[in-house]
Amino acid sequence: KAGVTQTPRYLIKTRGQQVTLSCSPISGHRSVSWYQQTPGQGLQFLFEYFSETQRNKGNFPGRFSGRQFSNSRSEMNVSTLELGDSALYLCASSVGDHLAKNIQYFGAGTRLSVL
Amino acid sequence: AQKITQTQPGMFVQEKEAVTLDCTYDTSDQSYGLFWYKQPSSGEMIFLIYQGSYDEQNATEGRYSLNFQKARKSANLVISASQLGDSAMYFCAMRERGGSQGNLIFGKGTKLSVKP
Repeated sequence: KAGVTQTPRYLIKTRGQQVTLSCSPISGHRSVSWYQQTPGQGLQFLFEYFSETQRNKGNFPGRFSGRQFSNSRSEMNVSTLELGDSALYLCASSVGDHLAKNIQYFGAGTRLSVL
Repeated sequence: AQKITQTQPGMFVQEKEAVTLDCTYDTSDQSYGLFWYKQPSSGEMIFLIYQGSYDEQNATEGRYSLNFQKARKSANLVISASQLGDSAMYFCAMRERGGSQGNLIFGKGTKLSVKP
């Protein structure tokens, strides 16, 4: 079974630009969550999509948005990039039920550098 | 207040020895799950082990085991017979049944270095 695939692996953008990151979940998984990882703030939850609907959202500005398609693939968009958006963006997929044991499996991440 | 606390920023262990990575958590939920992930320098987060708040037995997965002490709100990861490939960042995470539902709350991590 293929794992979670994130593309691209690396991105370099300049301030003010926008960027779209893609995530293909494990086959059969309906939930996709996005996390931002920085040295200063650690791992922070961005949002979760389940069956094409945003089910949960972290404390990030509206410049960060996402969507999920009918095949469960998800995209994350960041508009008007700031230097502080430089981070590793991790996508995780899961079955998506609301049990405590809903294991999230992560992709290798997209490393975004904003210049 | 921090929900997940990992007090060891870095640790060294000799190859083939056992090592314990500490994790304490804070929640008022009765139903929650605790997870450990490994992150090598490549960046991918690798799921290691899960412990549910109602599980009576400590979880084990191969060389990984979890020392779960519910009253003390601790869920320490024990790695037996360390290997060079175990050198990585290790993160403890929690999901609460109530408020945060879908997302995981992570600790700051512990960097483990295995010495030959």
